[in-house]
Amino acid sequence: ETGVTQTPRHLVMGMTNKKSLKCEQHLGHNAMYWYKQSAKKPLELMFVYNFKEQTENNSVPSRFSPECPNSSHLFLHLHTLQPEDSALYLCASSQQWADYNEQFFGPGTRLTVL
Amino acid sequence: SQQGEEDPQALSIQEGENATMNCSYKTSINNLQWYRQNSGRGLVHLILIRSNEREKHSGRLRVTLDTSKKSSSLLITASRAADTASYFCATDLNRDDKIIFGKGTRLHILP
Repeated sequence: ETGVTQTPRHLVMGMTNKKSLKCEQHLGHNAMYWYKQSAKKPLELMFVYNFKEQTENNSVPSRFSPECPNSSHLFLHLHTLQPEDSALYLCASSQQWADYNEQFFGPGTRLTVL
Repeated sequence: SQQGEEDPQALSIQEGENATMNCSYKTSINNLQWYRQNSGRGLVHLILIRSNEREKHSGRLRVTLDTSKKSSSLLITASRAADTASYFCATDLNRDDKIIFGKGTRLHILP
């Protein structure tokens, strides 16, 4: 919808599973972000990659592991998650990491941890 | 920590009326952005206003910024059913490149 795609759109996993979320942007941007959106909580920034380098890790538990192989792709590897990790995970990109840059969001992955 | 906070949390108005949402923040900012999110979807950028600007327009949207009161408002004129969504303000912290989103205002346009 905005040049940022996310797969899968929905994911249900058990606490012992390992899964990965994928994000791809077709906008030629250099910064990519992972956000977590839980009910009744502000959007939480998890990770930022700027020119493929991780520039922000917002005290995210190690059961979430990001990977940015190039400036167009971003992954979030999940393992041994908890039920409270159930949320909408949003990927975004921007021209570069700067507070004045508009961020373009993907549609999100709705994650349910059983 | 939460920088911006929207008010009200929820708003229901009749189609055709104007909708006003407010955002208050705590520390000095370089700029403030407004985003819209339709249910269960990604956010869409609406408008950015810089700290040296007082008002900005984009179509039916009007954003104001009062740095002395540390607040911003988003006005949607002549509301339509398609405006039903959550609206978020996002502010920077005037010292790094991170932007922080508020909890949002849920706007419902009644037919």
